[in-house]
Formats: sequence, C-alpha cells, structure tokens
Amino acid sequence: QVQLQESGPGLVKPSETLSLTCTVSGGSLTNYYWSWIRQPPGKGLEWIGYIYYSGSTNYNPSLKSRVTISVDTSKNQFSLKLSSVTAADTAVYYCARLPGAFLAAERYFDLWGRGTLVTVSS
Amino acid sequence: DIQMTQSPSSVSASVGDRVTITCRASHGIRSWLAWYQQKPGKAPKLLIFAASSLQSGVPSRFSGSGSGTDFTLTISSLQPEDVATYSCQQANSFPITFGGGTKVEIK
Repeated sequence: QVQLQESGPGLVKPSETLSLTCTVSGGSLTNYYWSWIRQPPGKGLEWIGYIYYSGSTNYNPSLKSRVTISVDTSKNQFSLKLSSVTAADTAVYYCARLPGAFLAAERYFDLWGRGTLVTVSS
Repeated sequence: DIQMTQSPSSVSASVGDRVTITCRASHGIRSWLAWYQQKPGKAPKLLIFAASSLQSGVPSRFSGSGSGTDFTLTISSLQPEDVATYSCQQANSFPITFGGGTKVEIK
C-alpha cells in the first residue's frame, strides 16, 4: 500500500532554512495533492500548504512569505522549505495526501507520514 | 480564516460509555468537516469526512453529525484502544484549519 516517509534534519538554527522531503512509496504522486502539516509540541495541527503533482501550489497565508513546496515526480518525492525559522517553528512536521482541492468534499487528509520532529535552536 | 473550537479539551470515561465531542466553526462550513484520531507518537488517522461519512475500515462505534457551525463526534461504546486525541478539520475553504484537539482517556 502507499506509504509516506518524512526525512530531513532534526535540528535547525534560528534564521536558517528548514528543509524536509517526503518520499511516497507503493504508489504514484499523480492525480493527488500533497501537503505539509505541522504540530507544535502540545498544540493543534496547522496546515502549511499543498502541491499538485503538476507543480501548482497553495500555501497558508500565515506562512506564505517563508514557504516553498516543490515536487520531483521522477523520485516520487515532494519537499518543504521554510525560511528564517524561529523557535516558534519547532514542531512535528507531517506530510499527507489530499485527494482533491477544488471540491470541498475531497479536502481531507486520507494518508499521513509518521512525522518528524524539527527543533529550532542554536 | 475559519476558527475551529473543540470542547471539551479532555474527557475521561469508562469502558463502554458513550463519549461525545463537539466542534464549532466560526463561520458556516456546510457539511465539510473531518475528524481525525491521533494516538500518542503516531500520525493522525482519518475517521470521518463530510461530517458523517465513515472512512473505510473505521469501526462503526464512531459516528459524526452536524452541519453549518456545530458538529459532533460520538463514540457509542468507548474501548481501551480509543484512547487518543481527536481533532476536527474544516474543508470548506482555504486555509484548511483544525480544532485544538480533545484528549479521550479511560477512567
């Protein structure tokens, strides 16, 4: 079955750029939207943004100035870059699959990675 | 942005009890609401979408209802494996937003 796995540094210094990759195995990126979601310790979930397999993106306005999500269909991967990080960006970062974006009936996350903790600290 | 508010923040109940969790949206979202279960150290799992549709493989003791601004998740007979945090998510408009979560424990 399709599985998602996040990878990347667990520690990032303040003001630097956080970079994570999600590898999709057992299936294709095609025809789905792929999201990043984060959860600060002890807090609720926050949607960061999504990318369609074709490359079109949509970001949360609260993070839009600092976020870039990209896709590499040849490697079956998509990636997150978050610039100018601060301690407030410390969180477990999840990648997840979104069946659709144009129809509200499809805007739910049906497949998730296990998550990776990223700590922002000097 | 649409704010999602869950209550209570935590609930403790006995095995076999009926548990109800509420989610309120700051603006009407029709029936575009999902519920997730998150066990400690694990990724969230989709339980219900479109307010009341059960995701494949989810036990029938879970059910969802509501429309507009007020929604509920009900566990009809609480089981030990249901210990988790439950979160709602609105799908009506971007940015997608989540509730703060409700922690369910066994008494």
